[in-house]
Amino acid sequence: DARVTQTPRHKVTEMGQEVTMRCQPILGHNTVFWYRQTMMQGLELLAYFRNRAPLDDSGMPKDRFSAEMPDATLATLKIQPSDPRDSAVYFCASGLRVWRGAGEGLGTDTQYFGPGTRLTVL
Amino acid sequence: QQQVKQSPQSLIVQKGGISIINCAYENTAFDYFPWYQQFPGKGPALLIAIRPDVSEKKEGRFTISFNKSAKQFSLHIMDSQPGDSATYFCAATSNDYKLSFGAGTTVTVRA
Repeated sequence: DARVTQTPRHKVTEMGQEVTMRCQPILGHNTVFWYRQTMMQGLELLAYFRNRAPLDDSGMPKDRFSAEMPDATLATLKIQPSDPRDSAVYFCASGLRVWRGAGEGLGTDTQYFGPGTRLTVL
Repeated sequence: QQQVKQSPQSLIVQKGGISIINCAYENTAFDYFPWYQQFPGKGPALLIAIRPDVSEKKEGRFTISFNKSAKQFSLHIMDSQPGDSATYFCAATSNDYKLSFGAGTTVTVRA
């Protein structure tokens, strides 16, 4: 049963510390997303990757957040320095999309979500 | 601003009743409208989805109704069961594969 995995599941840290969240997408999926969920803002897209290349990170605070895909089996989201307002659940999702250029894609639109990382910044 | 508006924020229904959640959008480029179900402590999971070339899609007890001219769509949960108690999100996307989510509706089914 293929699924997206995320580590850690819970993280409590002090303000100013660096936080790294990891995601293993479903094998064979070529598109990876990072979302943040809070009570106030709901589910927000932070960034996404196509074939490991960043496609859009406009949802991320650039000064403190960074997202990378070192290889096809690992996506990372890093916050440095962390702030109490970053407290949220961070979800990774993956999907398989056939991209035909100019930002257009064909194929399934389903995104498969991981279980999330609950981050608390004190 | 939220591109997909969802209501109600929460609802309570008796076992066997019908739950109805409504969503509205403005972006006419949206061409795929999924509903995701989320249980506490879990990630959202796709429940059912529709494209605008059909007005209704049914899968088991779950039905999406779609009104393209009104830019509205809704989820109906028939014969609601306690196991349906969860948060439901409507969403929309265009060909860039980016999902815009509604704010979510918490459904509680009373036995």
